[in-house]
Amino acid sequence: RKEVEQDPGPFNVPEGATVAFNCTYSNSASQSFFWYRQDCRKEPKLLMSVYSSGNEDGRFTAQLNRASQYISLLIRDSKLSDSATYLCVVNNRNRDDKIIFGKGTRLHILP
Amino acid sequence: DADVTQTPRNRITKTGKRIMLECSQTKGHDRMYWYRQDPGLGLRLIYYSFDVKDINKGEISDGYSVSRQAQAKFSLSLESAIPNQTALYFCATSDLQDTGELFFGEGSRLTVL
Repeated sequence: RKEVEQDPGPFNVPEGATVAFNCTYSNSASQSFFWYRQDCRKEPKLLMSVYSSGNEDGRFTAQLNRASQYISLLIRDSKLSDSATYLCVVNNRNRDDKIIFGKGTRLHILP
Repeated sequence: DADVTQTPRNRITKTGKRIMLECSQTKGHDRMYWYRQDPGLGLRLIYYSFDVKDINKGEISDGYSVSRQAQAKFSLSLESAIPNQTALYFCATSDLQDTGELFFGEGSRLTVL
């Protein structure tokens, strides 16, 4: 099993729709979880951290299921500007500070 | 000004040449990283450093070397560049005492002919 696995997409979604991404991770000792957004040829930027209780930031909702070792990102009322690649990131935050990136899920919002 | 600055942003070079990519940060973070990104392969860790005297190999360190000249500076060298090192390279920083979030530079696009 890959350390962090994501559906590469692309997801082609009409503007205004709701879209959900999942990400699975293999290391049960992982402690920190993030979703990053990367625009074409740009650096990844933090979209949101993922907390055990789930968290929401505007149209974006992130959830963590430790028992099943997966993370999800929900985007409601999608905008054209949401088109990007979304990277799932897992960090075990110990001495090795092993930060593992998923390969990303590409999202295209269609007008 | 960016908190994490990479130079050069773009470089075209020839096989066998020595190339250095530089990274400097103003965030005061102890931890610095070098990643490369290739289409379909995602971000892969080349080297990382927890402080000036602590440097560690990542998953794809062969063909690369690094130098942590100061807390704020972390350089990546390709001693003898080869075409399959053509990629987009990112430097990043983090502070384990904070959230564990990574802060990236804008990237250095390297083409080896």
